Amino acid sequence: QKEVEQNSGPLSVPEGAIASLNCTYSDRGSQSFFWYRQYSGKSPELIMSIYSNGDKEDGRFTAQLNKASQYVSLLIRDSQPSDSATYLCAALSQGGSEKLVFGKGTKLTVNP
Amino acid sequence: GAGVSQSPRYKVAKRGQDVALRCDPISGHVSLFWYQQALGQGPEFLTYFQNEAQLDKSGLPSDRFFAERPEGSVSTLKIQRTQQEDSAVYLCASSLVAHSYGYTFGSGTRLTVV
Repeated sequence: QKEVEQNSGPLSVPEGAIASLNCTYSDRGSQSFFWYRQYSGKSPELIMSIYSNGDKEDGRFTAQLNKASQYVSLLIRDSQPSDSATYLCAALSQGGSEKLVFGKGTKLTVNP
Repeated sequence: GAGVSQSPRYKVAKRGQDVALRCDPISGHVSLFWYQQALGQGPEFLTYFQNEAQLDKSGLPSDRFFAERPEGSVSTLKIQRTQQEDSAVYLCASSLVAHSYGYTFGSGTRLTVV
């Protein structure tokens, strides 16, 4: 069973701080990774994708990938209350399927 | 349409009833996916279409679940003889190309089986 593991939290940070979200995956063949944000009662929204080892930055978000350690992370700088949501990590399954394997998500609360 | 459209938004079914959930993907999107999301869990893959071909149905939990996309656009997920464990949000997603670079989800259908 190919799995993606996330710390379910909840993670609470003060406004303006850096929020760090972590994820590990079991399928060593996975090459593509995604972070989705899901507000309560809403559907997941893609915020970052990463395919190569290292860092990828987009505004206040930085995704980090370490394939040797099978580890993906998302950093949110200058956290805002509007960032309060559940963050889902997903890995693209290999072997011809196009499916994403999701973690259970980490609930982030940014306190004003 | 501008986004992935799903209907109905909410469905309450009595146990044993059949239900049909509809997904209207973004126009021109080749790939269409169905996911099931239980409360407090991440989405779990059900099935994948590339145009009208169902290429992966490995996630369908039982033979009570059936999906189709006959003309390569609108898709229907059908659940026969619903059970309480089928209660979840059913999410549809589509993407432009066959290889997923992260797809767009619809608003989902929340199914409650009573």
